[in-house]
Amino acid sequence: QVQLVESGGALVKPGGSLRLSCAASGFPFSDYCMTWIRQAPGKGPECIAYITYSSYSGSTIFYADSVKGRFTVSRDDAKNSLFLQMSSLRDEDTAVYYCARDRLRYSSSWIHDYWGQGSLVTVSS
Amino acid sequence: EIVMTQSPAALSVSPGERVALSCSASLSVSTSVAWFQQKPGQAPRLLIYAASTRATGIPARFSGSGSGTDFALAISSLQSEDSAVYYCQQYNKWPLTFGGGTKVEIK
Repeated sequence: QVQLVESGGALVKPGGSLRLSCAASGFPFSDYCMTWIRQAPGKGPECIAYITYSSYSGSTIFYADSVKGRFTVSRDDAKNSLFLQMSSLRDEDTAVYYCARDRLRYSSSWIHDYWGQGSLVTVSS
Repeated sequence: EIVMTQSPAALSVSPGERVALSCSASLSVSTSVAWFQQKPGQAPRLLIYAASTRATGIPARFSGSGSGTDFALAISSLQSEDSAVYYCQQYNKWPLTFGGGTKVEIK
């Protein structure tokens, strides 16, 4: 069955850095577009980074304006893993971070049918 | 970015009753709307996509409708396990955006 497991969340000081990982299993990871979605306490989710599957004209990446220039999404298809490198962290980056899979194989639908359980990132001094 | 506005913010409904949740987009998103259910401590679960298509394994009591800027999620006969927060999301244009959610409580 499809599984997505995030790790790497922690308490970090403002201005600090952190790298989140998402381990995928149960499906051909390299054939799917993936998204990082975060949810601040008591708020709705926010899509922050999206990466296409690797053979899609080379990976295409989108970022939300709130993280552009500070966060970097990448994938290692050989390890069935998705990553989010976060730097210059701010208080407002405090959230549960989810990785999510696109519903369609070899396509970009932007519909997320499987989500991980989430990893908590707390930014506080 | 496209703003998604949900109403009401919360409602309390008796088991067996019908529930209708609303979602409005600030620009037309065609039928590129999904609905999610989220229970405490869990990730959101996809219920509906393309405004009206049920995701795999979703009970028939959940239905979606709408196009353009106005959308709705209906639960035909509320069950106790339907107590949750429901979010709409547009995926017509990046950045993908979610509404603020509607909390459904069981009386």
